Order: sequence, then C-alpha cells, then structure tokens
Amino acid sequence: NAGVTQTPKFRVLKTGQSMTLLCAQDMNHEYMYWYRQDPGMGLRLIHYSVGEGTTAKGEVPDGYNVSRLKKQNFLLGLESAAPSQTSVYFCASTGILYNEQFFGPGTRLTVL
Amino acid sequence: GENVEQHPSTLSVQEGDSAVIKCTYSDSASNYFPWYKQELGKGPQLIIDIRSNVGEKKDQRIAVTLNKTAKHFSLHITETQPEDSAVYFCAASIRGSGGSNYKLTFGKGTLLTVNP
Repeated sequence: NAGVTQTPKFRVLKTGQSMTLLCAQDMNHEYMYWYRQDPGMGLRLIHYSVGEGTTAKGEVPDGYNVSRLKKQNFLLGLESAAPSQTSVYFCASTGILYNEQFFGPGTRLTVL
Repeated sequence: GENVEQHPSTLSVQEGDSAVIKCTYSDSASNYFPWYKQELGKGPQLIIDIRSNVGEKKDQRIAVTLNKTAKHFSLHITETQPEDSAVYFCAASIRGSGGSNYKLTFGKGTLLTVNP
C-alpha cells in the first residue's frame, strides 16, 4: 500500500496562475481532506469530502475549489493564485470504520 | 464551531525528562481527542487518542488525560528521547451523523525539542 500520495511535492507559481494539486489514496477510504499548514497556525481544513461526488467547505475555503470524481482521488484547485496561498498543503483520508486520519507527505507551494 | 487552544507553542526539555502539552476545547459535544506527531518534512501521524468516556489512556511512554468538566486534555511523554523531537498537534471531534468522528479541529501545535 502506498497510503496517501500527493502530487507535486513542490511548486512555485506566479500571482494569478492556476494549478491543481492531486491527492490519491489506495485504502478505499470514504473521507478525504485538504488542509493547509502555516507557521503558528496549525492545520486548517480547506475542503473535505465524505464520498465520491460530494464535497464540503472547511474552515478556510476561499480561493480554492475541489473535486472528488473518483473515490480514490481528491483534487484541490487554485484558479488564481495569490501570495497568501503560499503554504504547505496536506491531504488526508480516513474510512467510515476509523477515526485516524492518514496524511500524505505534503506539497510545498510558493506564490510569488 | 469547535475551537481548540494548545499550549505551549514551544517546549524544550532535557533527554530523560518528562514533557506535558495541554489543550482546551470549546464544544462540550466533542467526544474524541487524538494527538498527532509531525516529524520534519512529513505529514502528521496519529500517536494516541482518547474518547470522552475514558479519563486516561497510556501507551508505553506516552499518556493522555481528559477532564470533560474542564474541557481540557493533555499529552504526557515520560523519559523523553531525542527522537521525540517533533511538532505535536492535539485535536477534537464531534461524532457525525454516520457515527464516526470524521472531522477534526486541530490546535496550533507544539514544537518539542529534546536536548541530548
């Protein structure tokens, strides 16, 4: 099992550019999440999904969109990147029978 | 919504000493309290958790205590070792309609440094 994987690991964008972060899990988990981690701010939930085809807003959803077209994948999109979106992004997943969230290795995004 | 406060933000101890990290939560409906450890350059990983029907749980050198009345829970690490150096996050969760605690609210983290 690869667990939770994230693509890419690093990315540098210019203000206004767009990009998509891909999260994949091979554990057949129902729930998937996108968090951002900033110094002194902990982990903040951006969006989450409770199943294929469903998404919901978290604590800091503005400026991001998500899609869950397949159960194993959860995509995070930035339509027009801003410097305030410079952060480390973590994807996580968990199953209905579990409480533990399994995290990916993170994507470090810098917006210039 | 739920609010989780975590203290201290940084903690430095000597190898072999104990370390204690404290968290408070705001929503009395929260019933699940996990602790995650994040090593440098990695994603967080669950190390221990506790449910609201239990006051204390222990796993080798780590333990978690919960005071529901005060809405307070703590992580205790005894006989600290250099490999315990990491960022630790507490979290709180309310059971969802499907029965699982699938949504977590995290504290802001504690950077623990264990000096040899």
